[in-house]
Amino acid sequence: AQTVTQSQPEMSVQEAETVTLSCTYDTSESDYYLFWYKQPPSRQMILVIRQEAYKQQNATENRFSVNFQKAAKSFSLKISDSQLGDAAMYFCAYRGNNDMRFGAGTRLTVKP
Amino acid sequence: AAGVIQSPRHLIKEKRETATLKCYPIPRHDTVYWYQQGPGQDPQFLISFYEKMQSDKGSIPDRFSAQQFSDYHSELNMSSLELGDSALYFCASSLSRSSGGFQETQYFGPGTRLLVL
Repeated sequence: AQTVTQSQPEMSVQEAETVTLSCTYDTSESDYYLFWYKQPPSRQMILVIRQEAYKQQNATENRFSVNFQKAAKSFSLKISDSQLGDAAMYFCAYRGNNDMRFGAGTRLTVKP
Repeated sequence: AAGVIQSPRHLIKEKRETATLKCYPIPRHDTVYWYQQGPGQDPQFLISFYEKMQSDKGSIPDRFSAQQFSDYHSELNMSSLELGDSALYFCASSLSRSSGGFQETQYFGPGTRLLVL
């Protein structure tokens, strides 16, 4: 079974600074997708960014980018120029041929 | 753009009662997923449907059942409710690939908050 590990329960960043959230996963599949979802206090699950495993190029969405290391099974999220609105719970997720698995989440605090 | 719609948004039930949660996927999405997120936990996959057929089954209790209808909306039926069923229930939808049924990005609805007293 695939497992997703987020080793940082909480992270804090100063406004306008950069922060990196870590995620590792375990799988025997070769074709899969990885996602980062943001869950603000409203508890809505918002897709932040996604990465196809067959693509070597790291995905980027505005201030959000990933560092995808397939061999190391690592998928970290970098948030640049952090904003107060980035404060939320961030979930890393793995989607293979079966169901989607989430990590335990990292709570990000942004300090003004 | 249209998003996933869930109803009701909030629901309060007594123990041993039943509840039905509804999900309306993004137009033209053919796959629906149900997740349960307990307080302080990550979402847990319950069940999914592709083209009105069950495609995957996760940690869904036997007291729960679900189906997808011809218009692709889905309903999660929960019976003999227990206190531990109190959670946020998400529905997500996706558009499967044209071959192999490998679904890609899942888009989540706002969730239904269920409180069992």
